[in-house]
Formats: sequence, structure tokens, C-alpha cells
Amino acid sequence: QSVLTQPPSASGTPGQRVTISCSGSSSRIGSNYIYWYQRVPGTAPKLLMYRNNHRPSGVPDRFSVSKSGTSASLAISGLRSEDEADYYCAAWDDSLSAVVFGGGTKLTVL
Amino acid sequence: QVQLQESGPGLVKPSQTLSLTCTVSGGSINSGSYYWSWIRQPAGKGLEWIGRIYISGSIINYNPSLQSRVTLSIDTSKNQFSLNLSSVTAADTAVYFCAREMAAAGNDYWGQGLLVTVSS
Repeated sequence: QSVLTQPPSASGTPGQRVTISCSGSSSRIGSNYIYWYQRVPGTAPKLLMYRNNHRPSGVPDRFSVSKSGTSASLAISGLRSEDEADYYCAAWDDSLSAVVFGGGTKLTVL
Repeated sequence: QVQLQESGPGLVKPSQTLSLTCTVSGGSINSGSYYWSWIRQPAGKGLEWIGRIYISGSIINYNPSLQSRVTLSIDTSKNQFSLNLSSVTAADTAVYFCAREMAAAGNDYWGQGLLVTVSS
């Protein structure tokens, strides 16, 4: 059981906007930055967002993050087939002094 | 361009120690304010953070659930960092990734991953 909670699956059609939620506690999301990773099966995870809503170079602005209290959401607008992947949120946990991951959300582009 | 590459045995017997090394190329492991991390993913499951070590080795953080069995080390002369996981069981079978973490900026560079199977 992961300490950050994500829905196991999400789906959308090309061009749609989808959101993936990530909820935790005050010692995790509440007081620390959240990160998002994209993993296409068979490849290494890719950093998608850091420090809540910053995008690394090369990540399109179709990806955005909102955070409120102990929850955060990754939004993908203008959904494309290549967005089909597993998405993970992560955060530093003050009480554990460790990084914690969400269980992952499998995004299907219909 | 920084690149990371995991190496080590792909098969480990139960109760033995899993030892992996991550070789960093395209940059010095000793430059910048980076942590060097290990993360794993069992088949059909999510990512699990194992731990991280700061460049000087002065700061090491472990996943509490693995802390009693994990040791991280860094060898700046070889531009490598390593993971030792003792007393392995089948539950430790996973793809193991090494990665670079910039403080408060996430893991930006990853190795391709190495499948380690624990089986007799």
C-alpha cells in the first residue's frame, strides 16, 4: 500500500483533458514539493514535473500541476496517443525522512 | 549529457546479498549538489524508492522498510555508486534503477534499469 494515493487508472480520447490525482498527508504533500514521473513500459521513468509545477526542458506545456493542501493533480491537455503511460507522483516524507511514491496511474488513450 | 548505467548479476539466490553498481558518465559524480538514488519496480507493481546518497557520502537516506538490509556507498574515483541489499527473498525481484536527484528538483537522469531475479 503506497503512502501517496493515486487512482489506478485513467483514460481519455485524443484532444481531451485528463487529470490524475495524488493525495497524501501534511508530512508529505502538505509541506513538501511534489514530483511527477511518466513511465512508458520498458523504458526508464521520465521526470515530468518538479517543485510542484515546474517542467524540465522538453516537457510540453500540455502538462501542468495544481496543488492544494495535501493533494495535487497532474493535468494533461490536448491528450495524445504518446501520452499513454504510467504516471507516478512522489514527494519527500518528513516523518519517514524518505521519498515516497504513489501507486501509479495507468493512463489509456482511447 | 549525463548517462547512468546499472550493472550487476541478474540472478541472486535467496538469503544472499544483491550488489549493484551504477556508473555515471558524461559528468563527474562529485560535482554539483546531487543525490544519487536507487529505485526499484517489481513486475506489475509501482515504483519503490530504496534510498539515496549525497555526493560526499555524508548524507544517506533509506526507505525505512528496507533500512535494515540496505547499504549505499559512493566511489568518486570510479564515478560510481553502489547498492547492497542483504538477505534477499523473492519479494526483492524487481527492475532496479539508479538515478540522479538534484535537491528539490526530482530525479532527472535515470539508468535504463536492470532486472534482478531472486531465485534458487
